[in-house]
Amino acid sequence: GIQVEQSPPDLILQEGANSTLRCNFSDSVNNLQWFHQNPWGQLINLFYIPSGTKQNGRLSATTVATERYSLLYISSSQTTDSGVYFCAVGNRDDKIIFGKGTRLHILP
Amino acid sequence: DAGVTQSPTHLIKTRGQQVTLRCSPKSGHDTVSWYQQALGQGPQFIFQYYEEEERQRGNFPDRFSGHQFPNYSSELNVNALLLGDSALYLCASSLTGTSTFYSSYEQYFGPGTRLTVT
Repeated sequence: GIQVEQSPPDLILQEGANSTLRCNFSDSVNNLQWFHQNPWGQLINLFYIPSGTKQNGRLSATTVATERYSLLYISSSQTTDSGVYFCAVGNRDDKIIFGKGTRLHILP
Repeated sequence: DAGVTQSPTHLIKTRGQQVTLRCSPKSGHDTVSWYQQALGQGPQFIFQYYEEEERQRGNFPDRFSGHQFPNYSSELNVNALLLGDSALYLCASSLTGTSTFYSSYEQYFGPGTRLTVT
């Protein structure tokens, strides 16, 4: 089945810094979503982006489907950005597969 | 706009018991998927329900079963609980369109049910 790898696994930054999170996948996809999981476990939708580029405030994402990767950019980080960021893909096996996540710590 | 809701929030069960978790989808959605998230891991797909039928399943044993009701809400049942079933159980809803692939639709998640098996 499809493999989803996220990097880095952990990231510690000072408030105000910028960051780039990466999601690599091993096969073609028909769905790619980025989520932020808060400390209480709620998965919050950030982007639905099987291809192309989207922006929402300080966050933006780019998926290059032909090269099998997606990037999530966070600019001017705030402490509320802390948490785990997941990439999830859907493919021809018709299942949604999550990566192991990137744990982001923003220090005040 | 009502989001995805799940109940109960927390649950403690004993090994060998049975448990039922409940999910109501986001308003306007007709498809419900269930996921299991162990501590420190990403969510793993259990199964998906549409039109009251299971139409896709992940690598979970038959102890995991489900149901979808005419109002699109869903239940996840787990029989003969094992210690390893302790996890956060997440429900996601989506709206099925015309794509061949059910996995292509945007998923919205509920807050989860944290199950502890002792």
